[in-house]
Amino acid sequence: QLQLQESGPGLVKPSETLSLICTVSGGSISSSSYYWGWIRQPPGRGLEWIGSLYYTGSTYYNPSLKSRVTISVDTSRNQFSLKLSSVTAADTAVYYCARRRGGSGNYYMDVWGKGTTVTVSS
Amino acid sequence: QSVLTQPPSVSGAPGQRVTISCTGSSSNIGAGYDVHWYKQLPGTAPKLLIYATTNRPSGVPDRFSGSKSGTSASLAITGLQADDEADYYCQSYDSSMMFGGGTKLTVL
Repeated sequence: QLQLQESGPGLVKPSETLSLICTVSGGSISSSSYYWGWIRQPPGRGLEWIGSLYYTGSTYYNPSLKSRVTISVDTSRNQFSLKLSSVTAADTAVYYCARRRGGSGNYYMDVWGKGTTVTVSS
Repeated sequence: QSVLTQPPSVSGAPGQRVTISCTGSSSNIGAGYDVHWYKQLPGTAPKLLIYATTNRPSGVPDRFSGSKSGTSASLAITGLQADDEADYYCQSYDSSMMFGGGTKLTVL
């Protein structure tokens, strides 16, 4: 049974870089059938897609965050990571990692991690 | 403001049928992209409820169904139960993955 688990600091200072890792268990991140992604949810608000990546390293980012986001993969550890630079209070959210399925724009997330809360504050 | 518009809240009594709408445009739902639905209980991760507009993942009861027409999609829930009370999100594609603003379903 595939499981995803987010990990990383729960508190980040303004202007610094948020760094999170998603560890995949029960399946290989190198599967040719899937992409992997990050989604966030600010307190009391809706979901926002951050970006997605393929095990080869190909990435796709939300245009509104693209200048600050880097998503990368470590296939040896079966992990992928998120870095978000120059954070502000507006980046405070629950961050989820998930597995993406579908193709040709018909993408959806079928397996989600439990999420990790990141607060941006000095 | 989300590209996909959902009503902030809907409600229904146990046993009733409710629908949640997701209104898009010609660049997303109207362009033929699939609509997907997620259910989120308080303090938990979203769970895939409907994928590719009309399909249910294994384990999702057939009380849940999805449809699409033109630039809008709908999630229907029949035989409403207390544990259906949750937030529901639609999701599609418009140059990138897009979510609706979410709808809070209250079971009266």
